Amino acid sequence: EADIYQTPRYLVIGTGKKITLECSQTMGHDKMYWYQQDPGMELHLIHYSYGVNSTEKGDLSSESTVSRIRTEHFPLTLESARPSHTSQYLCASSEPRGTGELFFGEGSRLTVL
Amino acid sequence: GDSVTQMEGPVTLSEEAFLTINCTYTATGYPSLFWYVQYPGEGLQLLLKATKADDKGSNKGFEATYRKETTSFHLEKGSVQVSDSAVYFCALPHAPGGSNYKLTFGKGTLLTVNP
Repeated sequence: EADIYQTPRYLVIGTGKKITLECSQTMGHDKMYWYQQDPGMELHLIHYSYGVNSTEKGDLSSESTVSRIRTEHFPLTLESARPSHTSQYLCASSEPRGTGELFFGEGSRLTVL
Repeated sequence: GDSVTQMEGPVTLSEEAFLTINCTYTATGYPSLFWYVQYPGEGLQLLLKATKADDKGSNKGFEATYRKETTSFHLEKGSVQVSDSAVYFCALPHAPGGSNYKLTFGKGTLLTVNP
């Protein structure tokens, strides 16, 4: 069992609200990632981090921001949610050996009205 | 950049049928290749992987062989079960140098198995 947790699992919120999606892992992994999954199932890397105080943007431009103050915690924030942000957000971490195995959380499904 | 192309779904099969989901890749060099599975309401999990040409990855009755000649990594299972209903993703490392730290995923193939 992977020890990576996301909260909330589901969130319905109005336009203009600030939201933070939480992601925590207890495996001590340095590398963490946020993927956005569209309704057609396709995954897009939006942010990643290779350690504390390290964050980079992924392939898909996103208005969200991330921070990495602690190894185990990698929250994603949207300052002003819009309907176009409605999506499933998946957090993942990977082993330091770089084997390619990503451990995923169960996802946060965000709906912006 | 490196990429994978997998067959579009959805795929619908009866229990005990044979499954093939095609995946081909474009890459510089010979990266590791992966299949991930996403069961309903869950995140992705690694199903199997192969790290070099001619390697065969296997898990839970699924198999995939890394074929350099055809740049393919097709997923197969001889007899599917209802519990195999899920979305399947082919993936390879994102970085041109083959680093496994970031993965690029295919678009996913939805498999539904009927009793």
